[in-house]
Amino acid sequence: AQTVTQSQPEMSVQEAETVTLSCTYDTSESNYYLFWYKQPPSRQMILVIRQEAYKQQNATENRFSVNFQKAAKSFSLKISDSQLGDTAMYFCAFMTGSGNTPLVFGKGTRLSVIA
Amino acid sequence: DAGVIQSPRHEVTEMGQEVTLRCKPISGHDYLFWYRQTMMRGLELLIYFNNNVPIDDSGMPEDRFSAKMPNASFSTLKIQPSEPRDSAVYFCASSLAGRNEKLFFGSGTQLSVL
Repeated sequence: AQTVTQSQPEMSVQEAETVTLSCTYDTSESNYYLFWYKQPPSRQMILVIRQEAYKQQNATENRFSVNFQKAAKSFSLKISDSQLGDTAMYFCAFMTGSGNTPLVFGKGTRLSVIA
Repeated sequence: DAGVIQSPRHEVTEMGQEVTLRCKPISGHDYLFWYRQTMMRGLELLIYFNNNVPIDDSGMPEDRFSAKMPNASFSTLKIQPSEPRDSAVYFCASSLAGRNEKLFFGSGTQLSVL
């Protein structure tokens, strides 16, 4: 069974600084997807970024980028120029490549951006 | 499209009472998932359906939990009897077959069992 581990329950960062959230996963699959979701206090689940395992290039979405290390099974999220609106719970998630299996989530990291 | 609709948004009940959570997936979506979010365990998959048929319910914690999907536009998650440890946020999500990488979440139901 696939597992996703987020080792940092809570983190904080000063506004405008850069922060990196860690995620590791365990799988024997070769084809899969990895995700970062943001959950602000409104409880809404917002997809931040997605990485397909067969793509070597790290995904980037504006201030959000990932460091995907396939051999190490590591998938960290870097947030640049942190903003107060980035304050949220962040979940790392994994899905096998068939597209018909559920997402497996980590326990989450609560990020606080401090003014 | 209105997105995935869950009701109620908040539910407060007393231990031993029956609780029913409701979900309306996005029209045309083949897959429906129920997740539970707690501080201790994060987001856990409880059960998921494909074309209204339960595919995997191994995440359902106990026999007190049951889920149904009588048609493509409605699903329920029932807890009977409820216990304080069932307090959590329950999310419903839906997706198209073969495209679970595009998962759409509802706004969740905050359940408090006193």
